Amino acid sequence: QQQVKQSPQSLIVQKGGISIINCAYENTAFDYFPWYQQFPGKGPALLIAIRPDVSEKKEGRFTISFNKSAKQFSLHIMDSQPGDSATYFCAARDFFGNEKLTFGTGTRLTIIP
Amino acid sequence: EAQVTQNPRYLITVTGKKLTVTCSQNMNHEYMSWYRQDPGLGLRQIYYSMNVEVTDKGDVPEGYKVSRKEKRNFPLILESPSPNQTSLYFCASSLRVTGELFFGEGSRLTVL
Repeated sequence: QQQVKQSPQSLIVQKGGISIINCAYENTAFDYFPWYQQFPGKGPALLIAIRPDVSEKKEGRFTISFNKSAKQFSLHIMDSQPGDSATYFCAARDFFGNEKLTFGTGTRLTIIP
Repeated sequence: EAQVTQNPRYLITVTGKKLTVTCSQNMNHEYMSWYRQDPGLGLRQIYYSMNVEVTDKGDVPEGYKVSRKEKRNFPLILESPSPNQTSLYFCASSLRVTGELFFGEGSRLTVL
């Protein structure tokens, strides 16, 4: 049972463009929604996170948009750069479910010149 | 430097030969967890530990064991590895309050 659905599986964006990755969830007990970035040969690292009491969070070129009623959240990367090429995972935490982080299936993002 | 250290990073073994993947963190985190990463399936939790001597199953625990005798260490044990356990394994830790998971660099395991 996949509790966090992520799309697309892969994404190619031109340098300077906007990259958008979407996630949807079902469990209304989720209370924390992070995005992780993973480069080849490395472990995932926290990129940005949001809690459900806000609809948007921005950190530099990275923005999370959160729609609580639709149970969806998305990552927007503005002015995408080749250095942003990586795999991105959305995740959600169920605080009352032993604080487990459930991950989406990942999006491989490639930024082309 | 704050880090999660896994060993070995790469391992090729044969079916049935017991192996242990070690994990150690130097951040005094209460929470530790093991994930496996497979193409198209993302990161799936194997086991987790809320604190010393407290462990529980994640989503895919079959064929694995863990122990948490010390706060910093959380080894993953494959008693009788099978080819379907060929995967990339990640150990992670966090402070329970923040929820931010810190991952190790991964251990790529191949079971022949």
